[in-house]
Amino acid sequence: NAGVTQTPKFRILKIGQSMTLQCTQDMNHNYMYWYRQDPGMGLKLIYYSVGAGITDKGEVPNGYNVSRSTTEDFPLRLELAAPSQTSVYFCASSYSIVTTQPHLHFGNGTRLTVT
Amino acid sequence: GENVEQHPSTLSVQEGDSAVIKCTYSDSASNYFPWYKQELGKGPQLIIDIRSNVGEKKDQRIAVTLNKTAKHFSLHITETQPEDSAVYFCAASPTYGNNRLAFGKGNQVVVIP
Repeated sequence: NAGVTQTPKFRILKIGQSMTLQCTQDMNHNYMYWYRQDPGMGLKLIYYSVGAGITDKGEVPNGYNVSRSTTEDFPLRLELAAPSQTSVYFCASSYSIVTTQPHLHFGNGTRLTVT
Repeated sequence: GENVEQHPSTLSVQEGDSAVIKCTYSDSASNYFPWYKQELGKGPQLIIDIRSNVGEKKDQRIAVTLNKTAKHFSLHITETQPEDSAVYFCAASPTYGNNRLAFGKGNQVVVIP
């Protein structure tokens, strides 16, 4: 299993540009998440999904959009990039909360710089 | 919502010594406490977790202790090795649902050979 795969690894955007961060997992997890990690600030949840066709906001959703058309894929869309969105973005997945293995499996991140 | 504080922010230890990282949480309803290790350039990886019906859990050189009365939990690493150098995150959740998982800000552990 490849686990959680994120692309691209690095990206530089100009203010106002848009982009999609890709995330795919091959573990058949029904839960998927997007986090951002800012220096010294821990991980903040942007959006999450409990299954295909269902998404919900996390703690910091403004400026982002997501979709979940399949179990495997959970792309994150930035429509109008702003310097405040400079961060490292992590996608994660997990089993359903009703199992005994709810822990998160993270990808290796996408480092995004908006200038 | 839940607020998780993590101390110290940086910890340097000699190889072979023990390292202890402490976290406090605010929501008395929290009952799931995982620890994640993040190596440079990688995503966080779960190393151990504990639930509120257990006071201590061990896995080889790693242990976690939980004090629900005081609302704090700690990660203990014994016989530290250079590969233990990483950022460690604690987290807390009031349910098994990760959408309510609150992370601490992370602790940089440096093991000096």
